[in-house]
Amino acid sequence: AQSVTQLGSHVSVSEGALVLLRCNYSSSVPPYLFWYVQYPNQGLQLLLKYTTGATLVKGINGFEAEFKKSETSFHLTKPSAHMSDAAEYFCALRPIKAAGNKLTFGGGTRVLVKP
Amino acid sequence: DSGVTQTPKHLITATGQRVTLRCSPRSGDLSVYWYQQSLDQGLQFLIHYYNGEERAKGNILERFSAQQFPDLHSELNLSSLELGDSALYFCASSVDSNSPLHFGNGTRLTVT
Repeated sequence: AQSVTQLGSHVSVSEGALVLLRCNYSSSVPPYLFWYVQYPNQGLQLLLKYTTGATLVKGINGFEAEFKKSETSFHLTKPSAHMSDAAEYFCALRPIKAAGNKLTFGGGTRVLVKP
Repeated sequence: DSGVTQTPKHLITATGQRVTLRCSPRSGDLSVYWYQQSLDQGLQFLIHYYNGEERAKGNILERFSAQQFPDLHSELNLSSLELGDSALYFCASSVDSNSPLHFGNGTRLTVT
């Protein structure tokens, strides 16, 4: 069984400040890990993904995430928040050897960016 | 634009009714996934089709069914609707199991 926990359902950051969204996972088998972003009235858009190899993954819009197996974490960061980063962010996983793209999602973190 | 098209965007209906949600995947994508996003359950996987065949089921109620047609579009049928079925229903598609999912903008279902 797998589960994803996102710490903090709401995060407020000032424009230009560091964005840090926390994601911890539980999986009985090695996982692929993902971060998705959802803007209002839109579907989910892939920010980045970890499959194998380098544990620091760079994504779109200046975001990056680091896979830490020992901590079962995949936290998302962006050095400097922009107003356009206001959205909801979802961490997700799927087992490496699973057939199909059945993702298990975390509860989401809504980011508010203050001017 | 993800290339995944979902219709309708909004649907308001009464309890006990039946509705059909439609999804056209991105051109070339053989896999279609349905997800439900609700306030209390979050994002949950419902069902996966690949090239017309059901491949995996998640937490899909027996009142719900889906199919994928030869032209690869998919429909999600929800019957005997209850207030708790009110949610955002997303369709996503991918080329294969190892490719990222591309999500449509969803159908917002309101059951009154």
